[in-house]
Amino acid sequence: KQEVTQIPAALSVPEGENLVLNCSFTDSAIYNLQWFRQDPGKGLTSLLLIQSSQREQTSGRLNASLDKSSGRSTLYIAASQPGDSATYLCAAGSGGSYIPTFGRGTSLIVHP
Amino acid sequence: DAGVTQSPTHLIKTRGQQVTLRCSPISGHKSVSWYQQVLGQGPQFIFQYYEKEERGRGNFPDRFSARQFPNYSSELNVNALLLGDSALYLCASSFSDGAEAFFGQGTRLTVV
Repeated sequence: KQEVTQIPAALSVPEGENLVLNCSFTDSAIYNLQWFRQDPGKGLTSLLLIQSSQREQTSGRLNASLDKSSGRSTLYIAASQPGDSATYLCAAGSGGSYIPTFGRGTSLIVHP
Repeated sequence: DAGVTQSPTHLIKTRGQQVTLRCSPISGHKSVSWYQQVLGQGPQFIFQYYEKEERGRGNFPDRFSARQFPNYSSELNVNALLLGDSALYLCASSFSDGAEAFFGQGTRLTVV
């Protein structure tokens, strides 16, 4: 059974810092890994999707990497802004049923 | 194009009642999944449907049921509501198995 862990659970940084969010998974036989952003009480917004054959994906100030052999993915946020404050979730898709398993998320606060 | 739409956005029900939640996927998406998210946790998988067939079911009691219609929209039904069913219910759609998942804004269900 796939298990996904996100560290740290919470993070508070000053505006402008570069930061890294971590996601680890126990079953390396994944078909993709997706990062999401969730604002309080809202749905999930897809940020980046990395297929199993890829090592990283980039979108604007965001870069996500995937290392299947070590069971880890990282989300790098450059030059953080207060508008980046949200909960960031990763989801590992594995198994024949294509059902993603979510971590509990990292709650990020970027203060001015 | 419209994203994933869910209705209603908020709902208050009494213990023992039944509830139906609705989801319209992105046009062209044939896969719909349902998740339950309680405060402070990641989304927990409930059901997945693809081409109107159930592809997967999470660890939820038989009080939970779902279906997908010919136009790929979906309904989630919960019978005999318990206080513990209070949560944000999320619907996600994707074009195919393993493709990028897009989420709706969720239905906030409160059971009193």
